[in-house]
Amino acid sequence: AQRVTQPEKLLSVFKGAPVELKCNYSYSGSPELFWYVQYSRQRLQLLLRHISRESIKGFTADLNKGETSFHLKKPFAQEEDSAMYYCAPPRANSKLTFGKGITLSVRP
Amino acid sequence: ETGVTQTPRHLVMGMTNKKSLKCEQHLGHNAMYWYKQSAKKPLELMFVYNFKEQTENNSVPSRFSPECPNSSHLFLHLHTLQPEDSALYLCASSSAWGLDTQYFGPGTRLTVL
Repeated sequence: AQRVTQPEKLLSVFKGAPVELKCNYSYSGSPELFWYVQYSRQRLQLLLRHISRESIKGFTADLNKGETSFHLKKPFAQEEDSAMYYCAPPRANSKLTFGKGITLSVRP
Repeated sequence: ETGVTQTPRHLVMGMTNKKSLKCEQHLGHNAMYWYKQSAKKPLELMFVYNFKEQTENNSVPSRFSPECPNSSHLFLHLHTLQPEDSALYLCASSSAWGLDTQYFGPGTRLTVL
């Protein structure tokens, strides 16, 4: 079945600790994946996308075709990184849409 | 206002009411989406419109009826809803349905009594 999977619902770390939010995909076609973020009381917004290969707010995500993964990483977490993070495929449809999301909590 | 706007921001309705949610995008995009966000299922795609044509209906009950009169406006007509339909309804748009970033509105918080 086609899907984007985020295996964890919650990740809690201390400030300054490394962060890895997992995302795995299983679908045919271009794996041009996205990470979206939703901060408290703010709208859902793009964090980064594979095609741009940027580092946004210290986060990076590398596409690993062998492991079919697109994990989001940051070496040193900040409190302001606390939010809900969604991994998403390029074309949302009834069979393949956003992952279930993971809540990142960064404690002081 | 720029970006994606949604009205109303909050809506309380009874199960026998009829109401509509409105979404407007000022980005010149051609694809628009409705999502349902609830605690049980964080983000569910409901409908996709691409160049005003409905391309996706994710098995949404008929008590939800979308309308896309032009590429800038998207409506979600509601009638005979159930309490379990209470959720945050998000609208999004992208330049086209495909390899594009989606831009989200702030959502309408719907409560069905």
